[in-house]
Amino acid sequence: GAVVSQHPSWVICKSGTSVKIECRSLDFQATTMFWYRQFPKQSLMLMATSNEGSKATYEQGVEKDKFLINHASLTLSTLTVTSAHPEDSSFYICSAPTSGQETQYFGPGTRLLVL
Amino acid sequence: SQKIEQNSEALNIQEGKTATLTCNYTNYSPAYLQWYRQDPGRGPVFLLLIRENEKEKRKERLKVTFDTTLKQSLFHITASQPADSATYLCALGGTASKLTFGTGTRLQVTL
Repeated sequence: GAVVSQHPSWVICKSGTSVKIECRSLDFQATTMFWYRQFPKQSLMLMATSNEGSKATYEQGVEKDKFLINHASLTLSTLTVTSAHPEDSSFYICSAPTSGQETQYFGPGTRLLVL
Repeated sequence: SQKIEQNSEALNIQEGKTATLTCNYTNYSPAYLQWYRQDPGRGPVFLLLIRENEKEKRKERLKVTFDTTLKQSLFHITASQPADSATYLCALGGTASKLTFGTGTRLQVTL
């Protein structure tokens, strides 16, 4: 089946620094990718839709200047958490829709800890 | 506002029994509903999709029902095994392939 990878799988950074997370579709092209955030014992919350060749679409309440998304190619989307703070510590997961656009393949997630 | 609720935070059952998980939603008219499995520290994995005009869907030991009148889906795992222990998420499909996830139910299957 289709595979979505993420890198890094975990990252620890100091408050105020920026962190980039990569999401790749390994054996298929994805014009759209989704970025989610999941806090402990909570469900996945959609942050934004990453669109290849155009600007990302952010969900209500998500700061687009803090969470920069770049979808540079049909197989790569990046999420940059700028000026990270401890409250940004979370599990970030990306996904890409299947060819039928209804189900999604999820990446393994990136755990971010901001000290 | 839209709300998706899944039953009880954790469900403990004995191996071999049938696990039944519930997903209820309000203020929503989804075209389809999906169930995903999530293991600790991992991304969700797709299990089953059921459309609004379908009542039931099966896949091996899994069965999903969808009642759009009750706004409820039931997810069954028959002959459950310890390896089925995980968190199960229901998700409602919306526009532009977006999914809205429920809170999840953690299933623990014991020997």
